[in-house]
Amino acid sequence: DTGVSQNPRHKITKRGQNVTFRCDPISEHNRLYWYRQTLGQGPEFLTYFQNEAQLEKSRLLSDRFSAERPKGSFSTLEIQRTEQGDSAMYLCASSFPGTSGTYEQYFGPGTRLTVT
Amino acid sequence: GQQLNQSPQSMFIQEGEDVSMNCTSSSIFNTWLWYKQDPGEGPVLLIALYKAGELTSNGRLTAQFGITRKDSFLNISASIPSDVGIYFCAGQTLRAGGTSYGKLTFGQGTILTVHP
Repeated sequence: DTGVSQNPRHKITKRGQNVTFRCDPISEHNRLYWYRQTLGQGPEFLTYFQNEAQLEKSRLLSDRFSAERPKGSFSTLEIQRTEQGDSAMYLCASSFPGTSGTYEQYFGPGTRLTVT
Repeated sequence: GQQLNQSPQSMFIQEGEDVSMNCTSSSIFNTWLWYKQDPGEGPVLLIALYKAGELTSNGRLTAQFGITRKDSFLNISASIPSDVGIYFCAGQTLRAGGTSYGKLTFGQGTILTVHP
């Protein structure tokens, strides 16, 4: 079983450009999560999906951010009109229902975004 | 919103020493998880705790779910150089009805350095 994969691993873009990241979860995991992590901080929740339904979005997810999971498998996170403050590591995680309704989240390697 | 305070922020220890770190919250969590993150990589799940008072081990790692459900502790025994990294605690709350809530709230991390 391969783990969560994310592409690209690194992205450098100019301010104002749009970027899109892809996440492929562990197969058969029905939940997929996006987090953002800045230097020296823990990951911060952005949004999550159960199958293709987006169940929650953080207030951190401004109108310039959009996430999709059209077929309940891979997901994309798009940032429009990037700003320097968007520079961060974008992490994806996936999970499946365990005992007692628990959902242990397994993370991918992340996509490092640098906005110049 | 919910916040987790993790301490210490950093630790410098000699190989073979034991390590303790903890995480406290102003509110209750139903699940506590501990992750380790290496530079440029995503967090790796170490231990998950589901019940107040629970003590769980994974090799040289032992974690406890505080009885008040507002704290958790991680101990590493007989540290080795590959223990170097950033350790994060994360908490999760349950939705009404017991279905696990999706979002993880992370602490700020403890940076562990092990001198050979």
